[in-house]
Amino acid sequence: DADVTQTPRNRITKTGKRIMLECSQTKGHDRMYWYRQDPGLGLRLIYYSFDVKDINKGEISDGYSVSRQAQAKFSLSLESAIPNQTALYFCATSEVKGKLGTGELFFGEGSRLTVL
Amino acid sequence: EDQVTQSPEALRLQEGESSSLNCSYTVSGLRGLFWYRQDPGKGPEFLFTLYSAGEEKEKERLKATLTKKESFLHITAPKPEDSATYLCAVQAQGGNNRLAFGKGNQVVVIP
Repeated sequence: DADVTQTPRNRITKTGKRIMLECSQTKGHDRMYWYRQDPGLGLRLIYYSFDVKDINKGEISDGYSVSRQAQAKFSLSLESAIPNQTALYFCATSEVKGKLGTGELFFGEGSRLTVL
Repeated sequence: EDQVTQSPEALRLQEGESSSLNCSYTVSGLRGLFWYRQDPGKGPEFLFTLYSAGEEKEKERLKATLTKKESFLHITAPKPEDSATYLCAVQAQGGNNRLAFGKGNQVVVIP
């Protein structure tokens, strides 16, 4: 089984619908992230969480919200999906070494979202 | 703002034809530079971390090097299974520990 599991893997929805992407991990890491990947734009950070009570906005958080239900679970929601949110979404985790986390991220397989 | 530029965007190599990928960066104090490999339809997979200029890391046919302004990923005698997109990311000192990713180098190795 994968260490970082994302569901659903593929989703097609319509404009205005609410969508939730879920991520669970068995690595025991405190830090979890949601990224978005678009062709020609690379990976961009949406939200990140250093622990259950610490959630932070990334560079492109508008239109998204998150929930850290437990150390192992981090969900991304699109309250009212729009076509330009069509993208490949990745969840990732990292551990903490010393005072700062490492840049070694462990990614899930991705969730491909299409908004019509 | 931290910036990462990777070149070339795409590269086609014959099997056995060695080449190098470039990652140029600007960051307010480098804490670490990271290379990832991404296969189509998959999440990125961590390859290397480099912390200071002059440092080198190797794994099979891949060798990563770092200077104060750029990093190179050298692919020696590539095989078709080395076909992938290679991502470079930088992490600044202090702050929130976030990574800034480049757009990637797409490598295709032809048998």
